[in-house]
Amino acid sequence: EAGVAQSPRYKIIEKRQSVAFWCNPISGHATLYWYQQILGQGPKLLIQFQNNGVVDDSQLPKDRFSAERLKGVDSTLKIQPAKLEDSAVYLCASSPRGGAQHFGDGTRLSIL
Amino acid sequence: DQQVKQNSPSLSVQEGRISILNCDYTNSMFDYFLWYKKYPAEGPTFLISISSIKDKNEDGRFTVFLNKSAKHLSLHIVPSQPGDSAVYFCAASVDAGNMLTFGGGTRLMVKP
Repeated sequence: EAGVAQSPRYKIIEKRQSVAFWCNPISGHATLYWYQQILGQGPKLLIQFQNNGVVDDSQLPKDRFSAERLKGVDSTLKIQPAKLEDSAVYLCASSPRGGAQHFGDGTRLSIL
Repeated sequence: DQQVKQNSPSLSVQEGRISILNCDYTNSMFDYFLWYKKYPAEGPTFLISISSIKDKNEDGRFTVFLNKSAKHLSLHIVPSQPGDSAVYFCAASVDAGNMLTFGGGTRLMVKP
């Protein structure tokens, strides 16, 4: 079974620039999550999708972050404009109904 | 407000001995608990889970114990192997399939 795919693996941008991350979940997993992991901390949920609908985006900084999951499969997470404190690893996870979440390897974002 | 805490940032164990990783939580609504292992530059890998109706779940060398009254869970690895060296995160949710709240992680080092 193929795992959760994320791209790019690394991204370096300057503050105030825009950036987008892509995630392809495990086939058949209806639920998709985006997490932010700052160095030395555990992952923190940004947004959760069930199929193509948003279940929870209460911790998403909506003034600069946006996410979509068109057709209930792939998802993109965008930051516009980026701030220095956005430097982190962005993890995508997916789960079957009632099952454990499986994570991709993440995108490491560095803001200069 | 950290709802899930791992108070030991690191743990060192001799190969063949038992590793015990601990986790405490404060939210009494949490009903489903998981342990993830993370190697550098990779996403968290699901290890084992337990629901609140149980107090123990075992999978090979890994056993998770849950003490609901103390709001405490632990992961036992027996016997420990050098390949177990990684950062371990505990996570909790109000229901399987819902957002996870992670602890800060414990770095386990298993010495040959």
